[in-house]
Amino acid sequence: DIVMTQSPDSLAVSLGERATVNCKSSQSVLYSSNNKNYLAWYQQKPGQPPKLLIYWASTRELGVPDRFSGSGSGTDFTLTISSLQAEDVAVYYCQQYNSPPFTFGPGTRVDIK
Amino acid sequence: HVQLVQSGAEVKKPGASVKVSCKTSGYTFTGFYMHWVRQAPGQGLEWMGWINPYSGGTNYAQKFQGRVAMTRDTSISTAYMELSRLRSDDTAVYYCARDDIYQEPLTSLPKNWFDPWGQGNLFNVSS
Repeated sequence: DIVMTQSPDSLAVSLGERATVNCKSSQSVLYSSNNKNYLAWYQQKPGQPPKLLIYWASTRELGVPDRFSGSGSGTDFTLTISSLQAEDVAVYYCQQYNSPPFTFGPGTRVDIK
Repeated sequence: HVQLVQSGAEVKKPGASVKVSCKTSGYTFTGFYMHWVRQAPGQGLEWMGWINPYSGGTNYAQKFQGRVAMTRDTSISTAYMELSRLRSDDTAVYYCARDDIYQEPLTSLPKNWFDPWGQGNLFNVSS
């Protein structure tokens, strides 16, 4: 199985500042035949199911604010919130869908400083 | 408006089985794979498998092979997940989660990222 790790476990950022979440996979999730990274990001607020933010490592889901962006390739990925808003307080998970079982990172909690 | 509405919380004894339903509306049920994902209390997310509502074909994570069965009833746009021989470490919130992209053709493979999700079912397995 592909193991996903995330760093940091949690972070606190001032409103309007940048938040950065890192995700690393134990194997590359880049599929060479189409040059796509099989990685998604989700946001989960307390008491709610996860919500898809990004797929193909950097494609924003329809309706997701453009302050959320994804980057990276191969085994190292980053989710960036360019200007943190109060409603962004949540746990963020990365997920690989390169090979089953499709595995998630342990999550990164983002809070307001 | 796409909705996935799951059945209510359950308390089960070890060794028992449980069947969860996920009633959908607002989209063509047979056009999107349905996945099941669970989350143990205070823990991360674990993918269990998928079902193709068009064909009934399934793909289960090896960890759950032999204990899980995913089915569907296309007449009422509902997916089901049954987990048997329950153990205490099966205590978790179980989510149905739709594959994000319409399958064309309907027998093609899923994309395997998930949106939207049901509200979740809490199973508590306790003697």
